Amino acid sequence: DAKTTQPNSMESNEEEPVHLPCNHSTISGTDYIHWYRQLPSQGPEYVIHGLTSNVNNRMASLAIAEDRKSSTLILHRATLRDAAVYYCIRAAGNKLTFGGGTRVLVKP
Amino acid sequence: GAGVSQSPSNKVTEKGKDVELRCDPISGHTALYWYRQSLGQGLEFLIYFQGNSAPDKSGLPSDRFSAERTGGSVSTLTIQRTQQEDSAVYLCASSLEWTGSGNEQFFGPGTRLTVL
Repeated sequence: DAKTTQPNSMESNEEEPVHLPCNHSTISGTDYIHWYRQLPSQGPEYVIHGLTSNVNNRMASLAIAEDRKSSTLILHRATLRDAAVYYCIRAAGNKLTFGGGTRVLVKP
Repeated sequence: GAGVSQSPSNKVTEKGKDVELRCDPISGHTALYWYRQSLGQGLEFLIYFQGNSAPDKSGLPSDRFSAERTGGSVSTLTIQRTQQEDSAVYLCASSLEWTGSGNEQFFGPGTRLTVL
């Protein structure tokens, strides 16, 4: 059974990096890994996605393990506006398997 | 341009009634998705449409749930004989093509369904 697992919550201090892990041990070779975040009382918004190589964009970086069974979303310098629930998603076939989400708390 | 829109924004219904939720995707987006988010919970993927076809309906919670999409645009999610456990926010999203190949999804504001 396909599972995508994430820790329930993480805390960080403002201006410090945050590393959010995700386990997707049953991933197949063509399955993409996506990350979305949901700010309080808002709909989800795209953060980043990747397949095999590490990816960087203006919001974050995505480090994908060599065996692709896990990945890590990296917020380089957390701000108070980054406080949200971050979802790791495995896109496989015609289905999306969501992790339970990691609630990120940023302390000033 | 216009984003994803959903209607109604709020729906209160009585147990046993049928409800219909509507989603208008971004123009030109061929892929459309439905999700459910129960209070304080994470996102649950329900179904995905590519054009008017839903390749996999196994994510729908029960046979009381159905969805259709017509004209490659508007989609409706229908819940028959609603139960209290159906109370949740139902989110719709769309993307240019199937997100599995790397396309970004854009989410609507959701419909909050309350079953009394």
